[in-house]
Amino acid sequence: AQSVTQPDIHITVSEGASLELRCNYSYGATPYLFWYVQSPGQGLQLLLKYFSGDTLVQGIKGFEAEFKRSQSSFNLRKPSVHWSDAAEYFCAVGGPNSGYALNFGKGTSLLVTP
Amino acid sequence: DTEVTQTPKHLVMGMTNKKSLKCEQHMGHRAMYWYKQKAKKPPELMFVYSYEKLSINESVPSRFSPECPNSSLLNLHLHALQPEDSALYLCASSRGLAGPYEQYFGPGTRLTVT
Repeated sequence: AQSVTQPDIHITVSEGASLELRCNYSYGATPYLFWYVQSPGQGLQLLLKYFSGDTLVQGIKGFEAEFKRSQSSFNLRKPSVHWSDAAEYFCAVGGPNSGYALNFGKGTSLLVTP
Repeated sequence: DTEVTQTPKHLVMGMTNKKSLKCEQHMGHRAMYWYKQKAKKPPELMFVYSYEKLSINESVPSRFSPECPNSSLLNLHLHALQPEDSALYLCASSRGLAGPYEQYFGPGTRLTVT
């Protein structure tokens, strides 16, 4: 069975500080991994994805994520957070075992302080 | 263009009403999805259509009836809903189900059942 764990329900960072959001997955085959962001009352926007190849992937808005198979992790990072980054972040896993339907983690709520 | 549109943005309906949610994409995607999202929770998959045929039904109650009239359009017909069905309903699309394709989400329909 596939699953995603986001260990941090809430994270607070100061504007300009670096950010790392954690994501651990469980999947029986090669996972396809995604990070989505959701602002209040909005749909989900894809930040980045990992399918294969280079394990460090770049996304939109200055985000990057690193796939570490040995740790079953796909952590999201940003070197300098902006106030507009405050939102809910979801890690998701999909793959052939599930018809490529996404299985989301519970999300991490990011608060950015001045 | 990576836009998925959903109408209406908000919907209030009584438990005896019949209403429909509409989703549209013009990206040539052949897979379309309905998700339900409760407050402070991740999206939960309801239905998946592939090439206009229902591919996945996640044991959703029959008061929710999906329809895919053509490859660009996805409807969700609602009848005799319960207050606990109040949620954000998200539509998504992807290139297909046969490979690792990212899903693009619409802004959602905020449904309130009174």
